[in-house]
Amino acid sequence: DAGVTQSPTHLIKTRGQQVTLRCSPKSGHDTVSWYQQALGQGPQFIFQYYEEEERQRGNFPDRFSGHQFPNYSSELNVNALLLGDSALYLCASSLGTGLIYTFGSGTRLTVV
Amino acid sequence: AQTVTQSQPEMSVQEAETVTLSCTYDTSESNYYLFWYKQPPSRQMILVIRQEAYKQQNATENRFSVNFQKAAKSFSLKISDSQLGDTAMYFCAFVYSGGGADGLTFGKGTHLIIQP
Repeated sequence: DAGVTQSPTHLIKTRGQQVTLRCSPKSGHDTVSWYQQALGQGPQFIFQYYEEEERQRGNFPDRFSGHQFPNYSSELNVNALLLGDSALYLCASSLGTGLIYTFGSGTRLTVV
Repeated sequence: AQTVTQSQPEMSVQEAETVTLSCTYDTSESNYYLFWYKQPPSRQMILVIRQEAYKQQNATENRFSVNFQKAAKSFSLKISDSQLGDTAMYFCAFVYSGGGADGLTFGKGTHLIIQP
């Protein structure tokens, strides 16, 4: 049973660059949520995708955007990277409006 | 907006002891779910236990149980017979059950250390 897969595991970017993170949901799940977890903090909700549409968004600027593909996989894009964007980015999948979430192991983004 | 507060940044207990992690939350909603997640060094968030707000009975999962006090907006996690593998960050989380689209609201976490 494939869980949530995120890629890459780690990456380092320079301030001002753009980055794309990828997430494949657990088999059978159709909803993907993204979270940002700064060092020493709890995760913060970025947005959720369902049926290829952004369904809800947390308190994040428009530099954060996403996409969901017909196979339910998802991408998180961050433009004009800031040092403060350095964090662990977690993807969670679920089924429809269900509240059982399966998390991936995250992508550690470092902005220098 | 809802908030989740975990007032214990770190706790340390001996193996086989019982430990209780605290969590309080603030919301104007009446229908919601509360969760405890475990985050080991592997970074993956693992669901420990879930409580539906409309259920008065406290949830239990093997060695893990909660004390849910809805009026006091308190949701503590008790770990019995603690094991070395329980060492991890523990996060309390809230979600409004009106559709799940709002996403989880997490506390800042408690670092639990189980000593041999």
